Amino acid sequence: DTAVSQTPKYLVTQMGNDKSIKCEQNLGHDTMYWYKQDSKKFLKIMFSYNNKELIINETVPNRFSPKSPDKAHLNLHINSLELGDSAVYFCASSRPGLAGIDEQFFGPGTRLTVL
Amino acid sequence: GENVEQHPSTLSVQEGDSAVIKCTYSDSASNYFPWYKQELGKRPQLIIDIRSNVGEKKDQRIAVTLNKTAKHFSLHITETQPEDSAVYFCASSGGSYIPTFGRGTSLIVHP
Repeated sequence: DTAVSQTPKYLVTQMGNDKSIKCEQNLGHDTMYWYKQDSKKFLKIMFSYNNKELIINETVPNRFSPKSPDKAHLNLHINSLELGDSAVYFCASSRPGLAGIDEQFFGPGTRLTVL
Repeated sequence: GENVEQHPSTLSVQEGDSAVIKCTYSDSASNYFPWYKQELGKRPQLIIDIRSNVGEKKDQRIAVTLNKTAKHFSLHITETQPEDSAVYFCASSGGSYIPTFGRGTSLIVHP
């Protein structure tokens, strides 16, 4: 009974292609996130999204765009893929607590390799 | 914005020893401080967290301490075991939906 799921688990593609990663959570959380983890294991937040607002990390190129068809899904679309986009991408969800955010529940990750 | 510094980047200990990982943060409005463990090839998972109204929290062999005045918090693991080997991340957040993570500490426990 997976709480946060992502597909695909692995994605290998050529430079210049457009690809999407899907994320679904069945926890009933209001807020979802996308993170990028590079080869040095640094977890960089890319987006935070709930039914009220999208918060974008200003360092994220506009080739990356989140798309949320409903509260349980937050997909990541990437245009014109570059070599530097190779990384593991994690989706996460959280239930906002009384004082900001609460525990982050992470998906299993999608390893993206751009050739 | 918030800045979280985490040290050390790598920590090597013998089985049975204690391990301590330290983090500092910059935003005095931050009030939630979680620690995540990420095993090789797996997702990060919460192991313990602390809120700003508490100075210390324990859960079996792990504990977290928080010093709000100095803006630092630490993870303590006692009686380390080989299965504790992983990357550990601290994080902080305030009233926004955006957590800030430290750069991670790779803990290696030698049998």
